[in-house]
Amino acid sequence: DVVMTQTPLSLPISLGDQASFSCRSSQSLLHSNGNTYLAWYLQKSGLSPQILIYRISNRFSGVPDRFSGSGSGTDFTLKISRVEPEDLGVYYCLQHTHLPLTFGSGTKLEIK
Amino acid sequence: QVQLKETGPGLVQPTQTLSITCTVSGFSLTSYYMQWVRQTPGKGLEWMGFIRSGGSTEYNSEFKSRLSISRDTSKNQVFLKMNSLKTEDTGVYYCARGVMPTYWGQGTLVTVSS
Repeated sequence: DVVMTQTPLSLPISLGDQASFSCRSSQSLLHSNGNTYLAWYLQKSGLSPQILIYRISNRFSGVPDRFSGSGSGTDFTLKISRVEPEDLGVYYCLQHTHLPLTFGSGTKLEIK
Repeated sequence: QVQLKETGPGLVQPTQTLSITCTVSGFSLTSYYMQWVRQTPGKGLEWMGFIRSGGSTEYNSEFKSRLSISRDTSKNQVFLKMNSLKTEDTGVYYCARGVMPTYWGQGTLVTVSS
């Protein structure tokens, strides 16, 4: 199974600052069809995960442009340019290139 | 609009079978994959399996032969059944739409305890 490693575990940030999340996979997420199936989710307290980014860098419908994704192969990053209060929660990466689908263990975005 | 809602038993005894129904609206099950994902204190978010738009299934081998996913397209429902439950299976069970889970249900909390 592909292991998804997220760092840091916790990210204390001041509102308005930039936040950066890392996700590394134990093997390449490049599919034979040329796509890389890496997605990012935010889970707010008490709610279901909500998708933010798919295929590394594509924002899902309605996601603000302060969210951006980048990376390739085994190394991926999610950035929030200016953190707002509604961005707080746990951020997860998911790979769906290989079966079984696997999630990272999450990074908790907190206010400093 | 797209809606998904899981309905489960809440409390299940160890060794018993878990049955959860995901009722959807706003789309057709014959057009989308439907996923089951659970979130447990011990392992976080775990993919359990999916049923393709055509009706075939894939399962996480972690659940070996304990798990079964099926659907009734006429009722817009997807079903999860898992037997031989253990206390470690306690958690929130979600259904989600898509090869890449996009729309998620609210989840249903399952507690495995005697």
